[in-house]
Amino acid sequence: AQSVTQPDIHITVSEGASLELRCNYSYGATPYLFWYVQSPGQGLQLLLKYFSGDTLVQGIKGFEAEFKRSQSSFNLRKPSVHWSDAAEYFCAVGSYQLTFGKGTKLSVIP
Amino acid sequence: DSGVTQTPKHLITATGQRVTLRCSPRSGDLSVYWYQQSLDQGLQFLIQYYNGEERAKGNILERFSAQQFPDLHSELNLSSLELGDSALYFCASSVAWTDREKLFFGSGTQLSVL
Repeated sequence: AQSVTQPDIHITVSEGASLELRCNYSYGATPYLFWYVQSPGQGLQLLLKYFSGDTLVQGIKGFEAEFKRSQSSFNLRKPSVHWSDAAEYFCAVGSYQLTFGKGTKLSVIP
Repeated sequence: DSGVTQTPKHLITATGQRVTLRCSPRSGDLSVYWYQQSLDQGLQFLIQYYNGEERAKGNILERFSAQQFPDLHSELNLSSLELGDSALYFCASSVAWTDREKLFFGSGTQLSVL
């Protein structure tokens, strides 16, 4: 069965600092991997996705993620965080139905 | 705005009752998905419909049912409600049933069972 682990429940960073959100997955075949963001009172918005090819994928809002098969990881990064990035971030895996991690809440200190 | 419309935004009801959540997908999208988001279980896939037909089923309870109508809107029916059914229910849509990368989520219906 597929599963996703996001080890960090809550992360706080200062505005302008770099960010890395961790995601580890378990999947039997080549995974399709996603990062979604959920702002308060909003639905989920797709940040980026990995299906195949280049293991470093670029997304919207300046986010990127790197797929590392050997580590079963798909960590999300951003070089400089903005206050508007404060939200909850979900990693997901699947090719037919998505399995989401429990999410990481990001707080940004001005 | 994702283009996916969910109504109502909030719903408060009592145990044992039945409710219906409604979802209108983005224009042109044929596939509708239902997800449940709760504090203890996180985001869980419930069920998917494509062009009126059930396509995939996840962790959906027998007390829950869904359907997609000819105009492509979908309804999720929750019956014999329990306190544990309190959650945020999301609808998402995509153009095709295999098109995972283009999943657009609505803002959700917050269900509170008292």
